[in-house]
Formats: sequence, C-alpha cells, structure tokens
Amino acid sequence: DQQVKQNSPSLSVQEGRISILNCDYTNSMFDYFLWYKKYPAEGPTFLISISSIKDKNEDGRFTVFLNKSAKHLSLHIVPSQPGDSAVYFCAASGRSFRGAGSYQLTFGKGTKLSVIP
Amino acid sequence: EAQVTQNPRYLITVTGKKLTVTCSQNMNHEYMSWYRQDPGLGLRQIYYSMNVEVTDKGDVPEGYKVSRKEKRNFPLILESPSPNQTSLYFCASSLLTGYEQYFGPGTRLTVT
Repeated sequence: DQQVKQNSPSLSVQEGRISILNCDYTNSMFDYFLWYKKYPAEGPTFLISISSIKDKNEDGRFTVFLNKSAKHLSLHIVPSQPGDSAVYFCAASGRSFRGAGSYQLTFGKGTKLSVIP
Repeated sequence: EAQVTQNPRYLITVTGKKLTVTCSQNMNHEYMSWYRQDPGLGLRQIYYSMNVEVTDKGDVPEGYKVSRKEKRNFPLILESPSPNQTSLYFCASSLLTGYEQYFGPGTRLTVT
C-alpha cells in the first residue's frame, strides 16, 4: 500500500514558467512533509519542508502548499530554471505513527522535472 | 565539510559472496538510515538506527544486516547477496531534533 503517491512520473516546463509538482498521501498520521531533489549520480538533497500545522512554506523560488483535508501537497517553483531539472521526491513522516521518537520518512516514487531552455 | 560518505561507490559481485557497504557521517547525527532506490519504486528504507547499538527494520529489511557500534558509522551488510539486491543504495543521517536527512552519494551494487 503506497502511502505517499506522486502520480506524475515526469513533467516538462519551459524556462521561466511555473513548475508544479504534486504529491498525495493516505496516512492522516503524517505530520511533517519534505521535498528532496536528486540529480543523476548524486544522493537526494533536502529542498523544503512543511509542518502539518502550516499550509504554506516559502523559500526563495520554492513554495510548498499543504492541503490537509485533501491530503495533498504541492511544490511550486517560480521561475523554473534549467538547473532545476532533476527528480523530485516527496516524503512524509509521523512521529506518533511509527512509535515515539521515530524519524522514518516514507518517500514517493519521484517526479522527473525537465526545464526546457 | 559536513558530509555522508559511502564506500564503495560501485560494486559488482556474485551471488552468495558476502559484502559490506560502509557509511560514515561527520555531523554527529544520532539518526542514520539505509535506503535502496529501484526504478519505479522510489526510495525504500532498509534499516535505521536511532543511536549507538539501537537499530530497527525499515520497510525492506530482508537479506540485509546493519550494526551501529560507533555514532559516525553505519555499515550495511549483505551476508549472501542475490540478484534481486541489485540496486542503488543510499545512506542518510539526521539530528533527532529534525526530519531533514542528509544523504550520501550512493552505492550502485550489481549482483550477478
């Protein structure tokens, strides 16, 4: 049972436009959500996160939105740049879900973003 | 420089030949974890450790062992590798006060 879903395996966007990457989750116990970015031949790197007590978090060109009622989050990149081309993973965690003090992350399958110059 | 290192980066081996992939972090992180990445399946957790001598299974622990004798090191052991363990492996670490995990560069393992 996939608890974190990224239904779009790939996305192509023109440079300068907005990229919107989507993520859905099924477990209502998740209370923290993160986005990771991964280039080929490198490990994932943390990009941005949001707690379940918020509905928006912004960091420069990157904004994450959380809709708890819909169990949906999205990552907006504005404006998109060719260097943003990478695989983006959505991840979720819930301390109470896996036991006190647990920091396990559940990852989606990833969305490959291609920003076309 | 704060980092997570893994060795080797690439490994080709044969079925049944024991191997160890090392992982080391220099950030004094309590939490360490191993993941495998497979096409179409994303990142799946194998084992994790909350601190020295404290380890627990992740989602896909079968065929793997780990140990945490020192805070900085978290080796992944495949006692009898099989072809279905051919994958890209990542080690990660984080502080217990935060969720953001730092990942190593990955180890590509091929078992023939």
